[in-house]
Amino acid sequence: KAGVTQTPRYLIKTRGQQVTLSCSPISGHRSVSWYQQTPGQGLQFLFEYFSETQRNKGNFPGRFSGRQFSNSRSEMNVSTLELGDSALYLCASSRDHSTDTQYFGPGTRLTVL
Amino acid sequence: TQLLEQSPQFLSIQEGENLTVYCNSSSVFSSLQWYRQEPGEGPVLLVTVVTGGEVKKLKRLTFQFGDARKDSSLHITAAQPGDTGLYLCAGDGATNKLIFGTGTLLAVQP
Repeated sequence: KAGVTQTPRYLIKTRGQQVTLSCSPISGHRSVSWYQQTPGQGLQFLFEYFSETQRNKGNFPGRFSGRQFSNSRSEMNVSTLELGDSALYLCASSRDHSTDTQYFGPGTRLTVL
Repeated sequence: TQLLEQSPQFLSIQEGENLTVYCNSSSVFSSLQWYRQEPGEGPVLLVTVVTGGEVKKLKRLTFQFGDARKDSSLHITAAQPGDTGLYLCAGDGATNKLIFGTGTLLAVQP
């Protein structure tokens, strides 16, 4: 069974630009969650999608958004990038709920210059 | 706001030593998960504990959930270089999302 895949693995952007990250969950998993990981703040929950609907949301500004497609694949978008958005963005899939066992992808390393 | 504090933050030990990592909160969690993350990878689940006082063993790793379900510990016996990584606890919070701990970075020197 293929694991969670994320693309791209590395990304360099400049302040003010926008970025879209992609996540393909494990086949059969309907819940996809996104996390931001930084050395200072640790692993923080961004949002969870289930059946193409945002089911839960963390404490991040509206510049962070996401969506889920009918095949459970998900994308997250960050607009008007700031230096502080530099982080490892992790996607995790689970069968039905974000509090079930999370299977993480390898992450996308975003650097904002 | 539910928080999970882990201690120690960093740990560097020699191969063969024992160690314990703690995960503490003032909040009650219905379950607690432990993950290990290696450089360049996402976290991988090690174990889930759901009952207060529960003890689970995974080879050289022993996990305990506190009686009041507010804290947990991970004990590693005879650590090996392959145990090196970031250890994260995560609680099933009141807001139906996983709350991750602050992390413990373990380095086991050969």
